[in-house]
Amino acid sequence: DIQLTQSPSFLSASVGDRVTITCRASQGIANYLAWFQQKPGKAPKLLIYAASTLQSGVPSRFSGSGSGTEFTLTISSLQPEDFATYYCQQLNSYPLTFGGGTKVEIK
Amino acid sequence: EVQLVESGGGLVQPGGSLRISCAASGFTFSDHYMDWVRQAPGKGLEWVGRVRKKANSYTTEYAASVRGRLTISRDDSKNSLYLQMNSLTTEDTAVYYCLRVTGNYYVDSWGQGTLVTVSS
Repeated sequence: DIQLTQSPSFLSASVGDRVTITCRASQGIANYLAWFQQKPGKAPKLLIYAASTLQSGVPSRFSGSGSGTEFTLTISSLQPEDFATYYCQQLNSYPLTFGGGTKVEIK
Repeated sequence: EVQLVESGGGLVQPGGSLRISCAASGFTFSDHYMDWVRQAPGKGLEWVGRVRKKANSYTTEYAASVRGRLTISRDDSKNSLYLQMNSLTTEDTAVYYCLRVTGNYYVDSWGQGTLVTVSS
Protein backbone atom coordinates (compact mmCIF):
# COMPACT_ATOMS: atom_id res chain seq x y z
CA ASP A 1 0.00 0.00 0.00
CA ILE A 2 1.12 3.56 -0.65
CA GLN A 3 1.63 5.55 2.55
CA LEU A 4 1.10 9.30 2.55
CA THR A 5 2.88 11.35 5.22
CA GLN A 6 1.66 14.88 5.79
CA SER A 7 3.69 17.52 7.56
CA PRO A 8 3.22 19.28 9.76
CA SER A 9 0.34 17.51 11.50
CA PHE A 10 -0.56 20.77 13.20
CA LEU A 11 0.23 24.39 12.47
CA SER A 12 -0.69 27.65 14.06
CA ALA A 13 -0.91 30.65 11.74
CA SER A 14 -2.35 34.15 11.50
CA VAL A 15 -4.76 35.66 9.01
CA GLY A 16 -2.76 36.81 6.01
CA ASP A 17 0.05 34.28 6.48
CA ARG A 18 1.35 32.12 3.65
CA VAL A 19 0.91 28.48 4.62
CA THR A 20 2.48 25.39 3.04
CA ILE A 21 1.52 21.78 3.78
CA THR A 22 3.58 18.87 2.48
CA CYS A 23 2.43 15.39 1.50
CA ARG A 24 5.05 12.71 0.82
CA ALA A 25 4.22 9.40 -0.83
CA SER A 26 6.06 6.17 -0.02
CA GLN A 27 6.43 5.51 -3.75
CA GLY A 28 5.91 7.49 -6.92
CA ILE A 29 2.34 8.37 -7.76
CA ALA A 30 2.90 10.67 -10.77
CA ASN A 31 0.37 13.48 -10.26
CA TYR A 32 -2.48 11.32 -8.94
CA LEU A 33 -3.04 13.37 -5.82
CA ALA A 34 -5.96 15.36 -4.43
CA TRP A 35 -6.29 17.78 -1.53
CA PHE A 36 -9.37 18.14 0.67
CA GLN A 37 -10.43 20.63 3.33
CA GLN A 38 -12.57 19.53 6.27
CA LYS A 39 -14.22 21.77 8.85
CA PRO A 40 -15.52 20.41 12.18
CA GLY A 41 -18.71 18.41 11.81
CA LYS A 42 -18.71 18.73 8.03
CA ALA A 43 -17.84 16.49 5.11
CA PRO A 44 -14.53 17.13 3.36
CA LYS A 45 -14.46 19.37 0.30
CA LEU A 46 -12.28 18.87 -2.77
CA LEU A 47 -9.79 21.70 -3.27
CA ILE A 48 -7.27 20.42 -5.80
CA TYR A 49 -6.97 17.36 -8.02
CA ALA A 50 -4.28 16.03 -10.33
CA ALA A 51 -1.81 17.63 -7.89
CA SER A 52 -2.26 21.17 -9.19
CA THR A 53 -5.70 21.64 -10.77
CA LEU A 54 -7.98 23.91 -8.77
CA GLN A 55 -11.50 22.56 -8.35
CA SER A 56 -14.22 24.84 -9.69
CA GLY A 57 -15.32 27.42 -7.14
CA VAL A 58 -12.23 27.12 -4.93
CA PRO A 59 -10.50 30.46 -4.25
CA SER A 60 -7.31 31.11 -6.17
CA ARG A 61 -5.33 31.59 -2.95
CA PHE A 62 -5.17 27.78 -2.85
CA SER A 63 -2.59 26.12 -5.06
CA GLY A 64 -0.98 22.71 -5.37
CA SER A 65 2.26 21.49 -6.82
CA GLY A 66 4.47 18.45 -7.06
CA SER A 67 4.73 15.10 -8.74
CA GLY A 68 6.24 11.73 -8.00
CA THR A 69 6.61 11.52 -4.23
CA GLU A 70 6.49 15.09 -2.93
CA PHE A 71 3.54 17.44 -3.07
CA THR A 72 2.57 20.73 -1.50
CA LEU A 73 -0.62 22.61 -0.82
CA THR A 74 -0.13 26.36 -0.43
CA ILE A 75 -2.54 28.96 0.86
CA SER A 76 -1.10 32.29 -0.27
CA SER A 77 -2.92 34.48 2.27
CA LEU A 78 -4.76 32.64 5.03
CA GLN A 79 -8.34 33.75 5.56
CA PRO A 80 -10.55 33.16 8.64
CA GLU A 81 -12.60 30.56 6.77
CA ASP A 82 -9.46 28.54 5.96
CA PHE A 83 -8.94 27.32 9.50
CA ALA A 84 -9.65 23.63 9.05
CA THR A 85 -8.00 20.24 8.63
CA TYR A 86 -6.44 19.39 5.27
CA TYR A 87 -5.95 15.91 3.82
CA CYS A 88 -4.14 14.60 0.77
CA GLN A 89 -5.30 11.45 -1.07
CA GLN A 90 -3.47 9.34 -3.63
CA LEU A 91 -5.34 7.82 -6.54
CA ASN A 92 -2.43 6.11 -8.24
CA SER A 93 -3.23 2.60 -7.06
CA TYR A 94 -5.56 0.59 -4.88
CA PRO A 95 -6.11 0.74 -2.02
CA LEU A 96 -6.57 4.47 -2.23
CA THR A 97 -5.07 6.15 0.81
CA PHE A 98 -5.22 9.44 2.69
CA GLY A 99 -2.58 11.34 4.56
CA GLY A 100 -2.99 11.74 8.29
CA GLY A 101 -4.19 15.33 8.06
CA THR A 102 -2.88 18.80 8.91
CA LYS A 103 -4.88 20.90 11.30
CA VAL A 104 -4.52 24.64 10.70
CA GLU A 105 -5.42 26.71 13.73
CA ILE A 106 -5.49 30.41 14.53
CA LYS A 107 -2.38 31.76 16.23
CA GLU B 1 -27.09 20.19 -7.83
CA VAL B 2 -25.37 16.97 -6.81
CA GLN B 3 -26.87 15.52 -3.63
CA LEU B 4 -25.75 12.44 -1.74
CA VAL B 5 -27.77 11.50 1.33
CA GLU B 6 -26.65 8.64 3.55
CA SER B 7 -29.00 6.81 5.87
CA GLY B 8 -29.26 3.70 7.98
CA GLY B 9 -26.56 4.34 10.55
CA GLY B 10 -27.05 3.51 14.20
CA LEU B 11 -25.96 1.38 17.10
CA VAL B 12 -25.06 -2.25 16.47
CA GLN B 13 -23.49 -4.88 18.70
CA PRO B 14 -20.06 -6.35 18.00
CA GLY B 15 -20.40 -9.23 15.56
CA GLY B 16 -23.58 -7.77 14.16
CA SER B 17 -24.56 -6.55 10.72
CA LEU B 18 -25.89 -3.34 9.25
CA ARG B 19 -26.65 -1.99 5.80
CA ILE B 20 -26.32 1.70 5.12
CA SER B 21 -27.57 3.46 2.01
CA CYS B 22 -26.82 6.53 -0.05
CA ALA B 23 -29.48 8.20 -2.17
CA ALA B 24 -28.08 10.14 -5.11
CA SER B 25 -29.72 12.94 -7.07
CA GLY B 26 -28.84 15.83 -9.34
CA PHE B 27 -26.66 13.78 -11.72
CA THR B 28 -26.75 10.61 -13.81
CA PHE B 29 -25.89 8.12 -11.09
CA SER B 30 -25.30 5.22 -13.47
CA ASP B 31 -22.49 7.09 -15.24
CA HIS B 32 -20.30 7.29 -12.14
CA TYR B 33 -18.11 5.09 -9.99
CA MET B 34 -18.95 5.55 -6.31
CA ASP B 35 -16.83 5.32 -3.15
CA TRP B 36 -17.32 4.89 0.57
CA VAL B 37 -14.95 6.63 3.01
CA ARG B 38 -15.15 6.49 6.79
CA GLN B 39 -13.88 8.58 9.67
CA ALA B 40 -13.60 7.26 13.21
CA PRO B 41 -14.41 9.81 15.94
CA GLY B 42 -11.59 12.34 16.19
CA LYS B 43 -9.52 10.52 13.58
CA GLY B 44 -8.55 10.93 9.94
CA LEU B 45 -10.14 9.71 6.73
CA GLU B 46 -10.03 6.06 5.65
CA TRP B 47 -11.00 4.91 2.17
CA VAL B 48 -13.32 1.89 2.40
CA GLY B 49 -13.93 0.92 -1.19
CA ARG B 50 -15.25 1.61 -4.67
CA VAL B 51 -17.86 0.22 -7.03
CA ARG B 52 -17.52 0.80 -10.73
CA LYS B 53 -20.36 1.36 -13.17
CA LYS B 54 -22.24 -1.14 -15.35
CA ALA B 55 -19.84 -0.71 -18.27
CA ASN B 56 -17.11 -1.99 -15.93
CA SER B 57 -19.28 -4.87 -14.69
CA TYR B 58 -19.94 -3.23 -11.32
CA THR B 59 -16.56 -4.48 -10.11
CA THR B 60 -15.36 -3.43 -6.68
CA GLU B 61 -12.19 -2.56 -4.77
CA TYR B 62 -11.76 -2.62 -0.99
CA ALA B 63 -9.36 -1.60 1.72
CA ALA B 64 -7.67 -4.59 3.33
CA SER B 65 -9.20 -3.74 6.70
CA VAL B 66 -12.74 -4.34 5.42
CA ARG B 67 -12.30 -6.88 2.62
CA GLY B 68 -14.50 -9.92 3.21
CA ARG B 69 -16.68 -8.17 5.80
CA LEU B 70 -17.98 -5.07 4.03
CA THR B 71 -19.62 -5.24 0.60
CA ILE B 72 -20.43 -2.34 -1.70
CA SER B 73 -23.31 -2.59 -4.15
CA ARG B 74 -25.49 -0.28 -6.15
CA ASP B 75 -28.92 -0.15 -7.73
CA ASP B 76 -28.89 2.21 -10.69
CA SER B 77 -32.66 1.95 -11.09
CA LYS B 78 -33.00 3.49 -7.62
CA ASN B 79 -30.01 5.85 -7.83
CA SER B 80 -28.75 4.21 -4.68
CA LEU B 81 -25.46 3.01 -3.25
CA TYR B 82 -25.20 0.50 -0.41
CA LEU B 83 -22.67 -0.72 2.11
CA GLN B 84 -23.44 -4.08 3.71
CA MET B 85 -21.40 -4.45 6.89
CA ASN B 86 -20.98 -7.84 8.57
CA SER B 87 -18.95 -9.13 11.51
CA LEU B 88 -18.66 -5.61 12.84
CA THR B 89 -16.11 -4.71 15.51
CA THR B 90 -15.61 -1.61 17.61
CA GLU B 91 -12.93 -0.59 15.07
CA ASP B 92 -15.72 -0.05 12.52
CA THR B 93 -17.27 2.75 14.57
CA ALA B 94 -17.15 5.79 12.30
CA VAL B 95 -19.04 8.28 10.19
CA TYR B 96 -19.48 6.70 6.76
CA TYR B 97 -19.49 9.00 3.74
CA CYS B 98 -20.77 8.27 0.25
CA LEU B 99 -18.73 9.89 -2.54
CA ARG B 100 -19.14 10.50 -6.26
CA VAL B 101 -16.15 9.72 -8.48
CA THR B 102 -15.57 11.90 -11.54
CA GLY B 103 -14.69 10.73 -15.02
CA ASN B 104 -11.00 11.30 -14.28
CA TYR B 105 -11.30 9.18 -11.12
CA TYR B 106 -11.21 11.96 -8.54
CA VAL B 107 -13.88 12.42 -5.88
CA ASP B 108 -15.76 15.69 -6.22
CA SER B 109 -18.86 15.28 -4.03
CA TRP B 110 -19.47 13.93 -0.55
CA GLY B 111 -22.62 13.17 1.39
CA GLN B 112 -23.14 14.48 4.91
CA GLY B 113 -22.29 11.09 6.43
CA THR B 114 -24.06 8.59 8.66
CA LEU B 115 -22.72 7.47 12.03
CA VAL B 116 -22.29 3.76 12.73
CA THR B 117 -21.53 2.88 16.34
CA VAL B 118 -20.44 -0.64 17.22
CA SER B 119 -20.79 -1.20 20.94
CA SER B 120 -22.26 -3.62 23.43
